[in-house]
Amino acid sequence: NAGVMQNPRHLVRRRGQEARLRCSPMKGHSHVYWYRQLPEEGLKFMVYLQKENIIDESGMPKERFSAEFPKEGPSILRIQQVVRGDSAAYFCASSRNGGASEQFFGPGTRLTVL
Amino acid sequence: SQQGEEDPQALSIQEGENATMNCSYKTSINNLQWYRQNSGRGLVHLILIRSNEREKHSGRLRVTLDTSKKSSSLLITASRAADTASYFCATDSGGTASKLTFGTGTRLQVTL
Repeated sequence: NAGVMQNPRHLVRRRGQEARLRCSPMKGHSHVYWYRQLPEEGLKFMVYLQKENIIDESGMPKERFSAEFPKEGPSILRIQQVVRGDSAAYFCASSRNGGASEQFFGPGTRLTVL
Repeated sequence: SQQGEEDPQALSIQEGENATMNCSYKTSINNLQWYRQNSGRGLVHLILIRSNEREKHSGRLRVTLDTSKKSSSLLITASRAADTASYFCATDSGGTASKLTFGTGTRLQVTL
């Protein structure tokens, strides 16, 4: 049973470009969470999705950021018109159920904005 | 200060010694989890303790939870060089959302 998959592992973008980060949850998991980690800091919650639904996006910046988890395929975190401050590690986690379920994390995507 | 603060921020010990890390939080929780992160890597889940539990063991790990003090501790016994990593506590408040709130982490260095 493969773990949470994220790709790409490293992504370099110039200011103003778009970044697309993908996350495939563990088999049987229908809950996906996205977190962002700045250097030397802990992870900060961004968004929680179930299939085709955004449940909680309280941690998402109001502009330029969007997330989806379609019926088929991976969850996508999309950052439009990236700025240098978007440089961070973005982690995806999945769980079988919401609530008290353990969250399993992917290896992360390290985004560098030049 | 934010939910889930770890103490100390950095800890350096020798192999074979025990390492104790503490975590404090502010609001009521449903569960508290501890994760390990090796430099530049993803997070590895270590242990989950529920709000109605006081202590939990897993191998060389021992976690305690004191909800009256809103604090938890992670003890790693007989540390090894491979335990060198950052350790984070994360809390959730339950309900349907269950998003995790992470602390800033303790950086543990185990030397030979």
